[in-house]
Amino acid sequence: AQSVTQPDARVTVSEGASLQLRCKYSYSGTPYLFWYVQYPRQGLQLLLKYYSGDPVVQGVNGFEAEFIKSNSSFHLRKASVHWSDSAVYFCAVSAGQGTGSKLSFGKGAKLTVSP
Amino acid sequence: EAAVTQSPRNKVTVTGGNVTLSCRQTNSHNYMYWYRQDTGHGLRLIHYSYGAGNLQIGDVPDGYKATRTTQEDFFLLLELASPSQTSLYFCASSDQGQTTEVFFGKGTRLTVV
Repeated sequence: AQSVTQPDARVTVSEGASLQLRCKYSYSGTPYLFWYVQYPRQGLQLLLKYYSGDPVVQGVNGFEAEFIKSNSSFHLRKASVHWSDSAVYFCAVSAGQGTGSKLSFGKGAKLTVSP
Repeated sequence: EAAVTQSPRNKVTVTGGNVTLSCRQTNSHNYMYWYRQDTGHGLRLIHYSYGAGNLQIGDVPDGYKATRTTQEDFFLLLELASPSQTSLYFCASSDQGQTTEVFFGKGTRLTVV
């Protein structure tokens, strides 16, 4: 079974500063990796995903993440945050195929961007 | 654009009451899911389905039933609601299981008093 750890439950950064949200997963094979974002009073929306190939993947709104297999990590980054990036960010890992696939979420990281 | 619609958006019920949460997706997706979201736990899968009439048990199924009546409609039933089931519930859908993008509804906040 797979699992996801997001060690930072709450993160505060100043507008314009860079951001890194950490994610480590546990899975013996090669997983499918995702970052989802949840804005207030909304459902989750996909930011980016990694299946294979280039370990650095680009997402929406300037977000990117890097898959480092040796470290079992998939950290999310953004060079310069905006106040509208304030939200809860979830890392997720999926494994298996079709009806046997299972998506496991981390507990989330609440990002607050201060003016 | 893909759409998952949940109703109601808010619900208050008493302990021991019956509650049905509804979900409709217009994505033509095969898979539908019910999650609950609680502070400190992230999202946890209750039940899911990969087609009309199909039901699969998730990670936290106790106290919940679900039914998938059509490809579009997926219902979550709480027949004897308890305060521990106070939570934010999300319905979601995906095309080919959970290795592809999952599309979420806006959630139903359920309070059991």
